[in-house]
Amino acid sequence: DTGVSQDPRHKITKRGQNVTFRCDPISEHNRLYWYRQTLGQGPEFLTYFQNEAQLEKSRLLSDRFSAERPKGSFSTLEIQRTEQGDSAMYLCASSPGQGENTGELFFGEGSRLTVL
Amino acid sequence: QQPVQSPQAVILREGEDAVINCSSSKALYSVHWYRQKHGEAPVFLMILLKGGEQKGHEKISASFNEKKQQSSLYLTASQLSYSGTYFCGTAGGSGNTGKLIFGQGTTLQVKP
Repeated sequence: DTGVSQDPRHKITKRGQNVTFRCDPISEHNRLYWYRQTLGQGPEFLTYFQNEAQLEKSRLLSDRFSAERPKGSFSTLEIQRTEQGDSAMYLCASSPGQGENTGELFFGEGSRLTVL
Repeated sequence: QQPVQSPQAVILREGEDAVINCSSSKALYSVHWYRQKHGEAPVFLMILLKGGEQKGHEKISASFNEKKQQSSLYLTASQLSYSGTYFCGTAGGSGNTGKLIFGQGTTLQVKP
């Protein structure tokens, strides 16, 4: 399978704990996005990488959230001191570079976080 | 600002048609349509660019009215496989078509 993969698929944690999600994009895609989706809502943009550079971050994103893409391949999203309001599906998406970009985002199946 | 989709939910019989609307209060550079089935990843349907033509794929097509800042998704002769939640996503003029603001979604259920 050469699609976008995310790990873990499900995470249950207690409030105050740290969690980390990993995303492996499609190998030739140099753009990577993180979105968050809560029940009954559309995905909400969190942050965006082009290769290893984090180029945009949502102003709504708390300082407890940090994302990295150290070698321009996989990415991690860490949430520190989790709160119940962080419970959501965290979606990763990738797309090709500008010259080949048709505008299509290829989404992974997401990592579902439940904070107790 | 989040685009507004209407209706919120639609129930159809196989073979019937449906229209899903997406409107924005901000000037749009592009409108993107995705379908998400329960428990699955959103899947890209099509993108409409400012100044571009109406797009279509088999029995699913869409239009983009730049002046009204609206897009409509047309599903004709619906099939059971069309069931799911449809999201429109809008992008501003930055050229970053991956940074989308999605609507709240329209749930479509197609019954036999």
